[in-house]
Amino acid sequence: AQSVTQLDSHVSVSEGTPVLLRCNYSSSYSPSLFWYVQHPNKGLQLLLKYTSAATLVKGINGFEAEFKKSETSFHLTKPSAHMSDAAEYFCVVSDRGATNKLIFGTGTLLAVQP
Amino acid sequence: NAGVMQNPRHLVRRRGQEARLRCSPMKGHSHVYWYRQLPEEGLKFMVYLQKENIIDESGMPKERFSAEFPKEGPSILRIQQVVRGDSAAYFCASSPWDRSSYNSPLHFGNGTRLTVT
Repeated sequence: AQSVTQLDSHVSVSEGTPVLLRCNYSSSYSPSLFWYVQHPNKGLQLLLKYTSAATLVKGINGFEAEFKKSETSFHLTKPSAHMSDAAEYFCVVSDRGATNKLIFGTGTLLAVQP
Repeated sequence: NAGVMQNPRHLVRRRGQEARLRCSPMKGHSHVYWYRQLPEEGLKFMVYLQKENIIDESGMPKERFSAEFPKEGPSILRIQQVVRGDSAAYFCASSPWDRSSYNSPLHFGNGTRLTVT
């Protein structure tokens, strides 16, 4: 069965410093992985997706993630945090069965200090 | 192109009442998923529907919850005799039919926040 583990429930950074949100996955085959962001009282927005092409995936708003099979990781990074990045971030794996349902991690709440 | 539309945005019900949550998928999308987000938790899959068919309801509670996606009109998630533990955000997502659909991200609505008093 597929699953993802987000290693930090809360991350706090200062504006202008790098962001690292950690995610490990478990999958019996090559996974499809996603990062979604949720701003307060809003829906979910897709940041980026990995689907077995390039291992370094670039997303929106300056975010990127690197798929590392040897470490079963898919960490999300950004070189310089902005105040508007404060939100909850979800690492997600796709069930490659017939239903294509997404399996969510428990989320990482990112706080950005001025 | 309008995104996934959910209404109402906020819904307050007393214990024992019924809650009806509506979801209109993106234009051209024929697959709908419902997820529930309990406070301070990630999203949990509830049910997957295509037009007039329930494909996977493995995440649905056995009692009081039902979902439909009729030929015409929005998908409906129905909760009968609500209890306080049903208070949560309910998200709908849609996707097009695609042979490589496991690569397709889901497009989410803004959710319905249900409060049971």
